[in-house]
Amino acid sequence: AQTVTQSQPEMSVQEAETVTLSCTYDTSESDYYLFWYKQPPSRQMILVIRQEAYKQQNATENRFSVNFQKAAKSFSLKISDSQLGDAAMYFCAYRASTSYGKLTFGQGTILTVHP
Amino acid sequence: SAVISQKPSRDICQRGTSLTIQCQVDSQVTMMFWYRQQPGQSLTLIATANQGSEATYESGFVIDKFPISRPNLTFSTLTVSNMSPEDSSIYLCSVEQVTGNTIYFGEGSWLTVV
Repeated sequence: AQTVTQSQPEMSVQEAETVTLSCTYDTSESDYYLFWYKQPPSRQMILVIRQEAYKQQNATENRFSVNFQKAAKSFSLKISDSQLGDAAMYFCAYRASTSYGKLTFGQGTILTVHP
Repeated sequence: SAVISQKPSRDICQRGTSLTIQCQVDSQVTMMFWYRQQPGQSLTLIATANQGSEATYESGFVIDKFPISRPNLTFSTLTVSNMSPEDSSIYLCSVEQVTGNTIYFGEGSWLTVV
């Protein structure tokens, strides 16, 4: 079974600074998808960024980028120029290519942004 | 992106009662998914709702406790039956868009059982 581990229960960053959230996963699959979701106090799950395992290039979305290390099974999220609105719970998630729509989530990391 | 609406957004329920959560998507999708997020926890998949067939439940979840309906390609319901305080959770509906293999979530339904 696949597992996703986020080893940082909480992280904090100063506004305008950069922070990196860690995620590792375990799978025997060669093809899969990885996601980072943001969950603010409203509880809405917001997709931040997505990475296909077959792509070597790291995904980027504006201030958000990932460091995908397939051999190490690592998928970290870097948030640049942090903003107060980035404060939320962040979840790393895994989807096997054959498991349409089914996500396995990590435990989450609470990110605090200090003004 | 898919727009997913859930009702109710929040409710307080009496122990022993049942509550049905509705999920509406703005486009036709083959499969819809229901997740549970217990307080302070991550999300866990409950079941996959298939149109025209019975839902497929994950280990630890059963149809008697979480009956699901899927009458058409844009709508699904999840019922939480005979509720106890342990059922207090956020229940989320999700879909995957084939184009881009992106998974979207509804706003969630936050149930508190007293």
